[in-house]
Amino acid sequence: GAGVSQSPSNKVTEKGKDVELRCDPISGHTALYWYRQRLGQGLEFLIYFQGNSAPDKSGLPSDRFSAERTGESVSTLTIQRTQQEDSAVYLCASNGLGGRIYEQYFGPGTRLTVT
Amino acid sequence: AQSVTQLDSHVSVSEGTPVLLRCNYSSSYSPSLFWYVQHPNKGLQLLLKYTSAATLVKGINGFEAEFKKSETSFHLTKPSAHMSDAAEYFCVVTGGNNFNKFYFGSGTKLNVKP
Repeated sequence: GAGVSQSPSNKVTEKGKDVELRCDPISGHTALYWYRQRLGQGLEFLIYFQGNSAPDKSGLPSDRFSAERTGESVSTLTIQRTQQEDSAVYLCASNGLGGRIYEQYFGPGTRLTVT
Repeated sequence: AQSVTQLDSHVSVSEGTPVLLRCNYSSSYSPSLFWYVQHPNKGLQLLLKYTSAATLVKGINGFEAEFKKSETSFHLTKPSAHMSDAAEYFCVVTGGNNFNKFYFGSGTKLNVKP
């Protein structure tokens, strides 16, 4: 594809509801990342996928957060029972592999607002 | 373990004057280093990257960064700031056993005054 895409671009939800955020990486990119960026802050690593598996889940802030990836392509980040502190921009990035260092390509993000 | 420290959360310069955004890293291995820029309401864009080739790296929009191992630094510079450079800049390190783990600094907001 032309770039990393994310949907929805904006999501407003009530506290306690579940949300699903979607990421479509660049075609052929084997690695996929999720980050959270709270207002006025830097990027917080959440999870990354190598293919369909997630070797590093250390950044997930609580068990309300989960992510999956299928077909070495689309990934969804699910937040259950959302809280106001979950309000942030959620960024997805992808890159290739093969023994080389590849820069990450970022999507435009999903702005989540929990009311 | 890898980590990145961006020493200044905010930098303000006048248009036409030099820009210096500081970044120090910690890495147990030979690192790869990146600078990303984030303009307001826009996505993150790669400015430049260092991957063990030339220590002086040239990026887009006239930015440069120099990898100094002895100082564990990777400062971003530009000789003359433009208004369009106003944005937030992130220094990023990766390397070691896991080239897929990227560590972001907390960011430096650059303000350019007319």
